[in-house]
Amino acid sequence: DTAVSQTPKYLVTQMGNDKSIKCEQNLGHDTMYWYKQDSKKFLKIMFSYNNKELIINETVPNRFSPKSPDKAHLNLHINSLELGDSAVYFCASSQDLGRAEAFFGQGTRLTVV
Amino acid sequence: RKEVEQDPGPFNVPEGATVAFNCTYSNSASQSFFWYRQDCRKEPKLLMSVYSSGNEDGRFTAQLNRASQYISLLIRDSKLSDSATYLCVVNMVTGGFKTIFGAGTRLFVKA
Repeated sequence: DTAVSQTPKYLVTQMGNDKSIKCEQNLGHDTMYWYKQDSKKFLKIMFSYNNKELIINETVPNRFSPKSPDKAHLNLHINSLELGDSAVYFCASSQDLGRAEAFFGQGTRLTVV
Repeated sequence: RKEVEQDPGPFNVPEGATVAFNCTYSNSASQSFFWYRQDCRKEPKLLMSVYSSGNEDGRFTAQLNRASQYISLLIRDSKLSDSATYLCVVNMVTGGFKTIFGAGTRLFVKA
């Protein structure tokens, strides 16, 4: 019954590796997001997709590539991981862009060693 | 100036106290406003939307002041379980859609 689910919950990997985080929502929402929350707890939007189309791409290194195979899924692939990529990554969805509140997944705690 | 600013706290209050948080935003094109709550090592969850006329949900009251560009959250009769970080969120459309989260205000309610 989880509305927004992301996997894995924890990810520990070495520098230079490539990893993916998956996200699925069963709310029928049109819009999905990826957020990064760093060690200072500041939550910043990375990407926003509306109906599978990229709407927002904040200043994020191009090592980060989102992919939305359909409206219910938004995956995040990260190439050549760096120490500074260590953070909690949250997937979220909202009914539409701009007004509706967002529902968050439980987060993926990524640690790069 | 940050687009959304909050006092990081922490606010340390006894049970039963009334506590208020403010959040200021810089862009007058901001359209919708929310308060989220985030518990330690958990995801943010919507606490309440903030409407122009102000709104109340039990012990929680949210206010919006467009002229001064701030929103507020008042918590009455604080409970231990209210201890969390409260995030101010602003949606704006300025040549494109943006959602901005404040850095959060930490609240500790003590017995």
